[in-house]
Amino acid sequence: AQSVTQPDIHITVSEGASLELRCNYSYGATPYLFWYVQSPGQGLQLLLKYFSGDTLVQGIKGFEAEFKRSQSSFNLRKPSVHWSDAAEYFCAVGLKIAGGTSYGKLTFGQGTILTVHP
Amino acid sequence: KAGVTQTPRYLIKTRGQQVTLSCSPISGHRSVSWYQQTPGQGLQFLFEYFSETQRNKGNFPGRFSGRQFSNSRSEMNVSTLELGDSALYLCASSLTGRPPTDTQYFGPGTRLTVL
Repeated sequence: AQSVTQPDIHITVSEGASLELRCNYSYGATPYLFWYVQSPGQGLQLLLKYFSGDTLVQGIKGFEAEFKRSQSSFNLRKPSVHWSDAAEYFCAVGLKIAGGTSYGKLTFGQGTILTVHP
Repeated sequence: KAGVTQTPRYLIKTRGQQVTLSCSPISGHRSVSWYQQTPGQGLQFLFEYFSETQRNKGNFPGRFSGRQFSNSRSEMNVSTLELGDSALYLCASSLTGRPPTDTQYFGPGTRLTVL
């Protein structure tokens, strides 16, 4: 069964500092990969996704992620964090199957809470 | 275009009661998925509906059920509530429910507390 691990439960950075959130997956093939953000009291918002092609993916709000097949990782990065980036971040893995996958087959990581200090 | 709306936003029930949550997807979206989010278990998929048919189902007991109407609005029902059902229930909609080209949009959730 596929699994997703976000090793860091909580990360604290200073505003303006760079950020990297880790995501590792366990799966026998290249899956679809997603990063979502959830602000307090809100639903999830898609930041970016990878399914093929260039392994460096650009997303919204200045985020990017790099797919590394050899490390089974899909880490999220941002060069300069803003106070408004404080939220919880979720990595998710989707199963590629014949006939197409569905969002019902996504597996989510446990989330990483990001705190930003002024 | 209006986003995904969920009603009610907050709900308090007692053990043994049943509850119905509602989700209105973005106009034109035919796929609606439901998720349960708890601090201990994280985000877990409940079920997905597409064009009034349940297309996928997660590993939840039969007390959890859902349906989708012809206008794509969806409801989920939990019968015989247990304390462990306290959670944030998220609804998400998309055009076809098929990633990665089709993007899924989440609603703000319904916070259910079972006393």
